[in-house]
Amino acid sequence: GAVVSQHPSRVICKSGTSVKIECRSLDFQATTMFWYRQFPKQSLMLMATSNEGSKATYEQGVEKDKFLINHASLTLSTLTVTSAHPEDSSFYICSARSSGDTGELFFGEGSRLTVL
Amino acid sequence: GENVEQHPSTLSVQEGDSAVIKCTYSDSASNYFPWYKQELGKRPQLIIDIRSNVGEKKDQRIAVTLNKTAKHFSLHITETQPEDSAVYFCAASPWGSARQLTFGSGTQLTVLP
Repeated sequence: GAVVSQHPSRVICKSGTSVKIECRSLDFQATTMFWYRQFPKQSLMLMATSNEGSKATYEQGVEKDKFLINHASLTLSTLTVTSAHPEDSSFYICSARSSGDTGELFFGEGSRLTVL
Repeated sequence: GENVEQHPSTLSVQEGDSAVIKCTYSDSASNYFPWYKQELGKRPQLIIDIRSNVGEKKDQRIAVTLNKTAKHFSLHITETQPEDSAVYFCAASPWGSARQLTFGSGTQLTVLP
């Protein structure tokens, strides 16, 4: 199946700093990528839909100035957590849908963010 | 919007027994229902999906059933093995594909050897 790569897999940062997470579709072009947040033992919560060449669509309650999403190419989307705080510590996962109306969703490996 | 409820939250079965996980959805427009398996610290992986034009789909030891009238769908795993132990998520979408998926809360399945 298609491959979605996410980097870094783990990041620890100090409170107040910004962290960038990259999501790449390695063997297919993804006009749309999705960013999720997952707390321990909880489900995946969609944060935003990243659209290539245009602004991301954020879910209700997600601060767009806090979680900056850039989808500059058909194979790369980035999520930047700005001025991170301990409550932003979580598992962030991206996904991309392969082409076609019935495209399957492929997930990245996830990035575990710990804010001290 | 869509609301997907999943039960049970935890499930323990003996190796070789069957496991059933159930989900209900609220939006009658939903027509695509995938199931994902997520092992600890790893990415979710699609294990089976069903679209609303069929009532049942099977792939070796895994099967999914869909009751559109009642708005519920279930995952059935037969002859469970320890490697089936993971968290399973159901999801629903009104787009006939993996667009705008709403996920259930997850079921931690433990298969006891």
